[in-house]
Amino acid sequence: DQQVKQNSPSLSVQEGRISILNCDYTNSMFDYFLWYKKYPAEGPTFLISISSIKDKNEDGRFTVFLNKSAKHLSLHIVPSQPGDSAVYFCAAWYTGTASKLTFGTGTRLQVTL
Amino acid sequence: KAGVTQTPRYLIKTRGQQVTLSCSPISGHRSVSWYQQTPGQGLQFLFEYFSETQRNKGNFPGRFSGRQFSNSRSEMNVSTLELGDSALYLCASSSRGVADTQYFGPGTRLTVL
Repeated sequence: DQQVKQNSPSLSVQEGRISILNCDYTNSMFDYFLWYKKYPAEGPTFLISISSIKDKNEDGRFTVFLNKSAKHLSLHIVPSQPGDSAVYFCAAWYTGTASKLTFGTGTRLQVTL
Repeated sequence: KAGVTQTPRYLIKTRGQQVTLSCSPISGHRSVSWYQQTPGQGLQFLFEYFSETQRNKGNFPGRFSGRQFSNSRSEMNVSTLELGDSALYLCASSSRGVADTQYFGPGTRLTVL
């Protein structure tokens, strides 16, 4: 049962344009969402997070939007740079005795020149 | 500040054997989480240790176990290895837990033959 889904396995965007990575979830108990970036042969790097009490969080070129009614979040990267080429994972968390961090399967972003 | 280190980086085992992986967190971090990454399933949460106690656990069989020492270093053990256990095993450390900013190590690539 994939509770966090990233339906686009890959995305290609031109340098300077906006990259939009999408993530859907099914568990309404999730109350905290995170995005990670992963380069080959390295561990994931935390990018940005958002609490369920917010609908937007911004950090430099990265903005995460949360639509709780649609159980959907997205990561916007503006402007996209070649160094942004990596695999992006969204993850979701809920507090509770059996809570755990659930990851999506990832989207590979390729930023072209 | 030194990052998260994992040893060994690469490991080859045969079915039925057991394996122990090690993770040294960032100094001062008390939370260590373990993840399994496979091409088909993406990143999956194994368990989290905080101050030597397992605080959260993912949906993995009992063959997967771990422990944390008083210096916050953590080990993960997998017994009776199966072919499907071949994966990249990542550990991450943070100050407070899995919903906090996590810093990942480079991972241990386990191949089961």
